[in-house]
Amino acid sequence: AQSVTQLDSQVPVFEEAPVELRCNYSSSVSVYLFWYVQYPNQGLQLLLKYLSGSTLVKGINGFEAEFNKSQTSFHLRKPSVHISDTAEYFCAVIIVGLTGGGNKLTFGTGTQLKVEL
Amino acid sequence: KAGVTQTPRYLIKTRGQQVTLSCSPISGHRSVSWYQQTPGQGLQFLFEYFSETQRNKGNFPGRFSGRQFSNSRSEMNVSTLELGDSALYLCASSPGTGAGNTIYFGEGSWLTVV
Repeated sequence: AQSVTQLDSQVPVFEEAPVELRCNYSSSVSVYLFWYVQYPNQGLQLLLKYLSGSTLVKGINGFEAEFNKSQTSFHLRKPSVHISDTAEYFCAVIIVGLTGGGNKLTFGTGTQLKVEL
Repeated sequence: KAGVTQTPRYLIKTRGQQVTLSCSPISGHRSVSWYQQTPGQGLQFLFEYFSETQRNKGNFPGRFSGRQFSNSRSEMNVSTLELGDSALYLCASSPGTGAGNTIYFGEGSWLTVV
């Protein structure tokens, strides 16, 4: 079975500083990788996804992530954060080719990003 | 284009009652899936429907059920509610069942069981 680990439950950072949110996954089969953001009292919004091809994926709001197969990681980065980036961020995977499981996302436990002035 | 719409947004139920939550997917989307979000267990997959057929199911007791209608709208039902069922229930839709499709989430239904 696949699992997703987000080691940092909370990440405080000052405005305009860079940030990296870590995500590692374990799976014996190929997976697709996703980052979602959840603002208070809202649903999930897709930031970016990796399916194949270039390992550096650019998403919305200036975020990017890099897929590293050897380290089974998919860390999320932003070079300069804004107050409005304060939210919870979830890493997720989908197993490729799983019969009947095309849309079954397995999520990490989330990282709360708190941007301070 | 309207997003995924969930109703009701907030509700309070008593232990032992049942509840039905509704989800209207994005127009043209045929896959609907449901997730439960709690502080303790995080985001967990409940089930997925495509063309009125359940394609996948998570590890939840039989009290949790769902269905999808011919217009792709979906409902989920929880019977004999327990305090632990208090959660944010998220519905998501996708054009199809391929793993590369983007999955779009609604804003959720907040269920409180007292």
